[in-house]
Amino acid sequence: EAGVTQFPSHSVIEKGQTVTLRCDPISGHDNLYWYRRVMGKEIKFLLHFVKESKQDESGMPNNRFLAERTGGTYSTLKVQPAELEDSGVYFCASSHGYSSYNEQFFGPGTRLTVL
Amino acid sequence: DQQVKQNSPSLSVQEGRISILNCDYTNSMFDYFLWYKKYPAEGPTFLISISSIKDKNEDGRFTVFLNKSAKHLSLHIVPSQPGDSAVYFCAASSGAAGNKLTFGGGTRVLVKP
Repeated sequence: EAGVTQFPSHSVIEKGQTVTLRCDPISGHDNLYWYRRVMGKEIKFLLHFVKESKQDESGMPNNRFLAERTGGTYSTLKVQPAELEDSGVYFCASSHGYSSYNEQFFGPGTRLTVL
Repeated sequence: DQQVKQNSPSLSVQEGRISILNCDYTNSMFDYFLWYKKYPAEGPTFLISISSIKDKNEDGRFTVFLNKSAKHLSLHIVPSQPGDSAVYFCAASSGAAGNKLTFGGGTRVLVKP
């Protein structure tokens, strides 16, 4: 079974540009989460999809960030326009069920550098 | 306000000895606690978890202890092996909050041969 995949693995852009990150969850997983780790600090929650619906987007930093999950399969996270403080590693995770006991499987992350 | 804290950024231990990682939390709504292990350039990998109704969970060399009154949990690795060298993240979730994970800052463990 393929794990969670993320594309690209690295992205280097200039301040003011737009970047789109993609996450492909494990097939059949209804729950998809986005997290971010900035400057080696703690990993922070961004948002949670259940199928194609946004269940919780309380962690989104501001309206420069837009997440979508059309069709309830893969998800994209767009940053427009990017700022220096957006640099970090963006992780996607997916889980099958809605219980705490349903393990969240993480992808390898996308390292975003904004210059 | 950091709700989950790992106060030791790093830990060095000799192969074969015990590694003890600590984690403190402040939110009483957390009802599930997890430890994740992370290697460089990889995503976190689930290691072990514990429900708030238990005080201990064991899986092979890994044991997690939960002290609810102190809002403290710990991970014991016995015996430590060189392959255990990684960053360990403590995380907590609440079913009432959609099971999103709140992470600590991580503890880098180095197991010396």
